Amino acid sequence: ILNVEQSPQSLHVQEGDSTNFTCSFPSSNFYALHWYRWETAKSPEALFVMTLNGDEKKKGRISATLNTKEGYSYLYIKGSQPEDSATYLCASFGAAGNKLTFGGGTRVLVKP
Amino acid sequence: DVKVTQSSRYLVKRTGEKVFLECVQDMDHENMFWYRQDPGLGLRLIYFSYDVKMKEKGDIPEGYSVSREKKERFSLILESASTNQTSMYLCASRRGDTEAFFGQGTRLTVV
Repeated sequence: ILNVEQSPQSLHVQEGDSTNFTCSFPSSNFYALHWYRWETAKSPEALFVMTLNGDEKKKGRISATLNTKEGYSYLYIKGSQPEDSATYLCASFGAAGNKLTFGGGTRVLVKP
Repeated sequence: DVKVTQSSRYLVKRTGEKVFLECVQDMDHENMFWYRQDPGLGLRLIYFSYDVKMKEKGDIPEGYSVSREKKERFSLILESASTNQTSMYLCASRRGDTEAFFGQGTRLTVV
């Protein structure tokens, strides 16, 4: 089993504050790292697909970085808004097979 | 607009019943997945399929089987439902190593 871990498990953020959280994954046989946002009563939706060491991706106020050598990725939310409240999932895709393995998620609650 | 559709949003079944969860995608994706989500445990992979009639066990296959007779449809079968299979079940599909697209989820309660 490929162990993907996310921390913290949950996060309360004041509206307007910036925050970040971590996804760690085994660095051996790494192929790709995905980030998804899962809002209540909706389906998870992809934010980023990252493959290269040092990759940085951005979507509006959300950005992510990737370090494949040490096996971690950070997701940043700048100037958090209530609509950013969601569970953020990361998933690692190893070189062997088509299996996409998820971490436990970080649940973000942005308070107005 | 891409779509992954699960047959039910909510299901209540009795212990010992055989339960079918259906998933259909309209994107011609070769890979399809079944996950379950439990509080604090994230999404755990039950089974996946990379082609018609092909299947591989995920991390928690015990008590489940799957069927993929057509490319667009992937069924999860609970042979004899038990209370510890009460959970949220999510189906996903993807092409190659691109992002996954998810269904809306089925909340199954086994009583």
